[in-house]
Amino acid sequence: KAGVTQTPRYLIKTRGQQVTLSCSPISGHRSVSWYQQTPGQGLQFLFEYFSETQRNKGNFPGRFSGRQFSNSRSEMNVSTLELGDSALYLCASRESGGNLHFGNGTRLTVT
Amino acid sequence: AQKITQTQPGMFVQEKEAVTLDCTYDTSDPSYGLFWYKQPSSGEMIFLIYQGSYDQQNATEGRYSLNFQKARKSANLVISASQLGDSAMYFCAMREGLNQAGTALIFGKGTTLSVSS
Repeated sequence: KAGVTQTPRYLIKTRGQQVTLSCSPISGHRSVSWYQQTPGQGLQFLFEYFSETQRNKGNFPGRFSGRQFSNSRSEMNVSTLELGDSALYLCASRESGGNLHFGNGTRLTVT
Repeated sequence: AQKITQTQPGMFVQEKEAVTLDCTYDTSDPSYGLFWYKQPSSGEMIFLIYQGSYDQQNATEGRYSLNFQKARKSANLVISASQLGDSAMYFCAMREGLNQAGTALIFGKGTTLSVSS
């Protein structure tokens, strides 16, 4: 099976712009989670989607949003980018009751 | 209070030696899972090993074993016979409420392991 695929791998944006990141889970996995990793805050949970429904959300401002499509692919969007949004964004998929399988991440740099 | 504490920012070990990476956790939930992930410089998070709170025996996966001491709330990762390729950041993580849907992983700050020849 192919692993979790995240695109793009790298992104450079300027403050105030918005960005959309994409994640394709492992085939058959219906749960997709997003995490933000920064040197200062470490790994923090953003949200989780299951069957197109958000079922958990971390402590992030409303500028961070996501969605999941019927084929389980997920996107996350960050609007009005700030310098502090520079991070590695990791997506993970999970089959029911199983472990999280992470993608390679999207490294976002905001200038 | 931090839910997951990894007290060793960095560890250094020689090839073929064993190394223990420390992890303590804090939860009042009786149903939880503990995970260890490896993150090489490429950024991907690689699952290593899992221990459930109700598991009676310590988990093992090849060269990895988890020293689970429930009363002390510790879940240390032991890597036997270190290899150069083991050099990476290692994260301990916990998921509470295993019977609930949508619970997130809580990660520690990580330990950087450097293996030398």
